Amino acid sequence: GEDVEQSLFLSVREGDSSVINCTYTDSSSTYLYWYKQEPGAGLQLLTYIFSNMDMKQDQRLTVLLNKKDKHLSLRIADTQTGDSAIYFCAEKEGGSYIPTFGRGTSLIVHP
Amino acid sequence: DVKVTQSSRYLVKRTGEKVFLECVQDMDHENMFWYRQDPGLGLRLIYFSYDVKMKEKGDIPEGYSVSREKKERFSLILESASTNQTSMYLCASSSPPQETQYFGPGTRLLVL
Repeated sequence: GEDVEQSLFLSVREGDSSVINCTYTDSSSTYLYWYKQEPGAGLQLLTYIFSNMDMKQDQRLTVLLNKKDKHLSLRIADTQTGDSAIYFCAEKEGGSYIPTFGRGTSLIVHP
Repeated sequence: DVKVTQSSRYLVKRTGEKVFLECVQDMDHENMFWYRQDPGLGLRLIYFSYDVKMKEKGDIPEGYSVSREKKERFSLILESASTNQTSMYLCASSSPPQETQYFGPGTRLLVL
């Protein structure tokens, strides 16, 4: 079945850029998502990208998609302590109700 | 803004009790979902519904049932709670065409 892989942890210094990576196996993926989960809370949609796009930028967030390598990344510029959270990558085929989620990357931002 | 609400943030129940978790969305979404989230296991889909009174099993439906009597409300029922159902429960809703899922704040359930 489909699989989405992320590294479990990332530690960065405040003010640096963070890059969270994700790989997926489903070549039929149409939509790819990034969610953020703060402690004790639900998942908050950060951004999504269609599979026919290479890049999407939204303020401090940049999503890059390499469809050939099935690799998705989320770059957070000028990382702040408030960015500390778990970040989930997800992918979905067109016509499917249900995305496949990665297990999440814990981003730790230290002074 | 899409809003998905869940009836409780924290719940403590005893083994064998019947437990109801309620989820309400205000965006007229067709689809609703229940997940559980456990450390190291990520999100696992329990049940989903693509229409009123329709339901489909997810990856881990055992020990759970659901009810969707109205479009905006999706209930998760633990018929007889067990300690291995201690978890964080997340509800989500979505709608075509993107089917982007919007999540509630979660219910942290402890079964003693």
